[in-house]
Amino acid sequence: QSVLTQPPSVSGAPGQRVTISCTGSRSNIGAGYDVQWYQQLPGTAPKLLMYGNDNRPSGVPDRFSGSKSGTSASLAITGLQAEDEADYYCQSYDSNLSVLLFGGGTKLTVL
Amino acid sequence: VQLLESGGGMVQPGGSLRLSCAASGFTFSNYAMSWVRQAPGKGLEWVSGISGTGVWTSYADSVKGRFTISRDNSKNTLYLQMNSLRAEDTAIYYCANNRVIRFLDWLKNYYMDVWGKGTTVTVSS
Repeated sequence: QSVLTQPPSVSGAPGQRVTISCTGSRSNIGAGYDVQWYQQLPGTAPKLLMYGNDNRPSGVPDRFSGSKSGTSASLAITGLQAEDEADYYCQSYDSNLSVLLFGGGTKLTVL
Repeated sequence: VQLLESGGGMVQPGGSLRLSCAASGFTFSNYAMSWVRQAPGKGLEWVSGISGTGVWTSYADSVKGRFTISRDNSKNTLYLQMNSLRAEDTAIYYCANNRVIRFLDWLKNYYMDVWGKGTTVTVSS
């Protein structure tokens, strides 16, 4: 059981909007530490998708957006495309464990 | 920016391996670095991190006392010495450079910016 909790899977049809949640606690997200999101396409290394809660690295489409509130964070994807089918991971820092943490990951299926 | 891991392979339980990560395209000594692993069919697990100067290091509880992270800034290379290996250490090991928007303290708010392609470690008898 990960300290950062994500739904195992989400799905949506092309063009739709989906959100992926990441629920933490007062020692990580709730303590104000930044949340990042990574995208891992099948058979490839993870790629940074969002940093500092809501900042997109250069080259990431603005269809992807991030938000944070309280002890949770969310990744939203609008205008879903087949190429978005991947695993998505949230990441933060935990002050109790003094480590960087990943969520368990969410598999996005484009129907 | 490029990161290239090497040193993976198959080893028996209790054995040792040293992973390397060669960095290029950026000023290596200016960046903290991390190792992240992914067991077969599982999610990502942060393993260890080291500051740019090498003064600060941190480890996940699962590897503390068995793994040692180090770096040679003159060679632009990151290392992970893995001792007393167990079957549950079987994974793809990625190196990544760390960045932070607002520096608070070592490791706080750090994230993995650029990732290597990974090297596979298999622990089996």
